[in-house]
Amino acid sequence: GQQVQQSPASLVLQEGENAELQCNFSSTATRLQWFYQHPGGRLVSLFYNPSGTKHTGRLTSTTVTNERRGSLHISSSQTTDSGTYFCAIGSAQGTGSKLSFGKGAKLTVSP
Amino acid sequence: EAAVTQSPRNKVTVTGGNVTLSCRQTNSHNYMYWYRQDTGHGLRLIHYSYGAGNLQIGDVPDGYKATRTTQEDFFLLLELASPSQTSLYFCASSDWGVFYEQYFGPGTRLTVL
Repeated sequence: GQQVQQSPASLVLQEGENAELQCNFSSTATRLQWFYQHPGGRLVSLFYNPSGTKHTGRLTSTTVTNERRGSLHISSSQTTDSGTYFCAIGSAQGTGSKLSFGKGAKLTVSP
Repeated sequence: EAAVTQSPRNKVTVTGGNVTLSCRQTNSHNYMYWYRQDTGHGLRLIHYSYGAGNLQIGDVPDGYKATRTTQEDFFLLLELASPSQTSLYFCASSDWGVFYEQYFGPGTRLTVL
């Protein structure tokens, strides 16, 4: 099945620093989705990005499908960015489909 | 924005108990999913469905049943709950599965004593 590797597993920053989170996957993907999980558990979709580069505010998602990798760049980090970031890869399976999640990257931003 | 709701938000039961988790989406999506999240494992797919009456097995189905009664409603059933099923459960929906974004509910925290 699809294997999804995220790195780093955890990251500690000072406010204002940038972060780069990596996602590598094992087989051809049909889509890549980035999620942010609040410390309380709520899951928020950040990007649905099958290929190329997308921007939202201070966040940039880049997906290079033929190299089986993606990245999430956070610029000028803020304390409110603290939480866990998940990469998920979608792939077809028979008549259905499924998302395979990485184990997450825990980000801590200190003031 | 797609809307997915889950109930209950928190549930405590005892070993051997019967639990039903409910999920409703109001966006006419075809696909619905149940995931569990445990520390160190990310989210793992339990069951999913592409329409009323349909059920597909996910990656960690043991100990779980699921039923899709309507396009909007997807239920996860634990008929003999065990402490290993203590977890955070998420429901999600998407249109046509592979090519569309998945939208997640707020999660249900289940504790089995």
